[in-house]
Amino acid sequence: GNSVTQMEGPVTLSEEAFLTINCTYTATGYPSLFWYVQYPGEGLQLLLKATKADDKGSNKGFEATYRKETTSFHLEKGSVQVSDSAVYFCALRLSGAGSYQLTFGKGTKLSVIP
Amino acid sequence: NAGVTQTPKFRVLKTGQSMTLLCAQDMNHEYMYWYRQDPGMGLRLIHYSVGEGTTAKGEVPDGYNVSRLKKQNFLLGLESAAPSQTSVYFCASSDYHSGQGGYTFGSGTRLTVV
Repeated sequence: GNSVTQMEGPVTLSEEAFLTINCTYTATGYPSLFWYVQYPGEGLQLLLKATKADDKGSNKGFEATYRKETTSFHLEKGSVQVSDSAVYFCALRLSGAGSYQLTFGKGTKLSVIP
Repeated sequence: NAGVTQTPKFRVLKTGQSMTLLCAQDMNHEYMYWYRQDPGMGLRLIHYSVGEGTTAKGEVPDGYNVSRLKKQNFLLGLESAAPSQTSVYFCASSDYHSGQGGYTFGSGTRLTVV
């Protein structure tokens, strides 16, 4: 079946540190990949996405590259801010008719301290 | 632009009581979903709908029922609440069949069953 594995948290970083959150996936088809962010007390928001191999999704200084050879979609940011403190979810969705379900990882909580 | 609206935001139920959670979207999306979020478990799909008048079971459907009488609304019902149903419930919607689109989430309903 389809699954997403994220690095376990929580992750605590100092402001301006480099961030990497690892994500690997298993899929029976050819998925699109997503990162969602959940700020405290809120719902999930789409952060970035990539729909085919070697695509790079980017938004708000975050980046992730779709690596088909390693089945990975690691999230990176060069300099984190306190406002980036949130829970980050990696997810996949298969392409094709009837492919409407997102499969989520368990989430990684990030805390950024001043 | 409201997006996805969930009501209520908070609710406390006694074991055995029933309730309905309402989700409304104003984006004319075909697909709608109900997820529950529990610590360390990520998001798990309860039920989903691919169009008005249709519903289907997700990963954890037991103890829940849903209805999609109008395209813009997706209702989640608990007929006889149990403490195991204490969770945060998220509704989401999407409009892409090809897998390239992401979801739009509501802000969640925090349910406690005592």
